[in-house]
Amino acid sequence: GEDVEQSLFLSVREGDSSVINCTYTDSSSTYLYWYKQEPGAGLQLLTYIFSNMDMKQDQRLTVLLNKKDKHLSLRIADTQTGDSAIYFCAESMGSSASKIIFGSGTRLSIRP
Amino acid sequence: EAGVVQSPRYKIIEKKQPVAFWCNPISGHNTLYWYLQNLGQGPELLIRYENEEAVDDSQLPKDRFSAERLKGVDSTLKIQPAELGDSAVYLCASSVQGRGTDTQYFGPGTRLTVL
Repeated sequence: GEDVEQSLFLSVREGDSSVINCTYTDSSSTYLYWYKQEPGAGLQLLTYIFSNMDMKQDQRLTVLLNKKDKHLSLRIADTQTGDSAIYFCAESMGSSASKIIFGSGTRLSIRP
Repeated sequence: EAGVVQSPRYKIIEKKQPVAFWCNPISGHNTLYWYLQNLGQGPELLIRYENEEAVDDSQLPKDRFSAERLKGVDSTLKIQPAELGDSAVYLCASSVQGRGTDTQYFGPGTRLTVL
C-alpha cells in the first residue's frame, strides 16, 4: 500500500543546514510536498515539487527529488530557532492532488 | 484573508458521550477535508467533500462517525459515542478544486481528549 517514511528526529546547530529525508512508495505521484507544523497549529505548506522535476529552490529551502529511488529531501539553509517544528513529507495519490498521504513527521530541534 | 477556522480548539469528554467539531473553510474553497492526527503521526484523511458531496469517505468509521456539509460551506464532524481511542487532533483543511496543486490549507485543529 501507500506509505511515506521519515526519520523521527533531527537536531542541528543554529546556523547550520538541516536536511530532512523522506521515502515514498507511489511511483505515479505527481506532487510531493513538505508541510511544517508548529506546536498547537495546523499544517502549513512549505513547498511542493512536481514529479518531473529533480530540484526546486525557494529562498532557504531546497527540495531534491530522486524519482528512481523514490527519495525526497528538504534542505533548510542557515537554520534558525524559528525553524523548530515538525516537518511532514507527503505524496499525492497518482495525479490527483486532492488525496495526499503524509509521513509521520520529523521533529527538527535547534541547538545553540 | 481569514484562514480555516475550527472550533472548539480543545474538548474533553467522557467516553460514550457525543462530541461535534465545526469547520469554516476559506471563502471560495469548494473542497473540504477532515483529517485525524494521532500523537506522533501524520494526518490521515477521514472524509473529503467537493461542495456538499462527500466524494471520499472510505476511511470514516461510519458506525460512530458522521459528517455533514449541508450548504457546501461549513462542515460538522460528529462522534457518537466517543471511545478512549478517539483522543486525537481533528484537522480540517480546504482547497480550490481544479487549480494546479489544489493546495490544502489547514486549520489549527480540535484536540479531543476522551476520559
